[in-house]
Amino acid sequence: DAGITQSPRHKVTETGTPVTLRCHQTENHRYMYWYRQDPGHGLRLIHYSYGVKDTDKGEVSDGYSVSRSKTEDFLLTLESATSSQTSVYFCAISGFGLSGTSDEQYFGPGTRLTVT
Amino acid sequence: KNEVEQSPQNLTAQEGEFITINCSYSVGISALHWLQQHPGGGIVSLFMLSSGKKKHGRLIATINIQEKHSSLHITASHPRDSAVYICAVLGADGLTFGKGTHLIIQP
Repeated sequence: DAGITQSPRHKVTETGTPVTLRCHQTENHRYMYWYRQDPGHGLRLIHYSYGVKDTDKGEVSDGYSVSRSKTEDFLLTLESATSSQTSVYFCAISGFGLSGTSDEQYFGPGTRLTVT
Repeated sequence: KNEVEQSPQNLTAQEGEFITINCSYSVGISALHWLQQHPGGGIVSLFMLSSGKKKHGRLIATINIQEKHSSLHITASHPRDSAVYICAVLGADGLTFGKGTHLIIQP
């Protein structure tokens, strides 16, 4: 299994509070992704990173920011959490970029976030 | 934006049955992934394919690029195959995921 961990695994927070989720990899992969998974929707890309300090927005980036100061860590921050951000968040890594055809994405175990 | 449709949404079958899950998409792609998500939530990549057919154990995945369609087959299904199976297509703007097929295999 690819070495990807997410922390915390579960979090309950109140509306308006800041929240940071961490994704840590030991595979030295260049690309890292944050997705959210909600009932009735497929996984949706929030943000991704193509290198240290290099990030870009995905399909559902509003209300989220990211940072990548080291190859192994990709942080997702909700500056002021809202109930619509209650979801399961998955981190993923790959050796190639969004259009890479020769590499798979490996997923972390997920973080269940509840905003009350 | 690619539209990815999976069918069926839900499938309940008896142990030993041959299972087929379908995935169709609207825009040309460079590759297609089949993923498995168990009740515990973890997501595992089963296949990545861009043409033809791949087989791994009792799982077979096929893709027809011209028809924009892929199928995932499970032979001799077993209760441990119960999971959500997700199709994802790789285009210029990254992966677009289907909503998944919830499979239950009853003993």
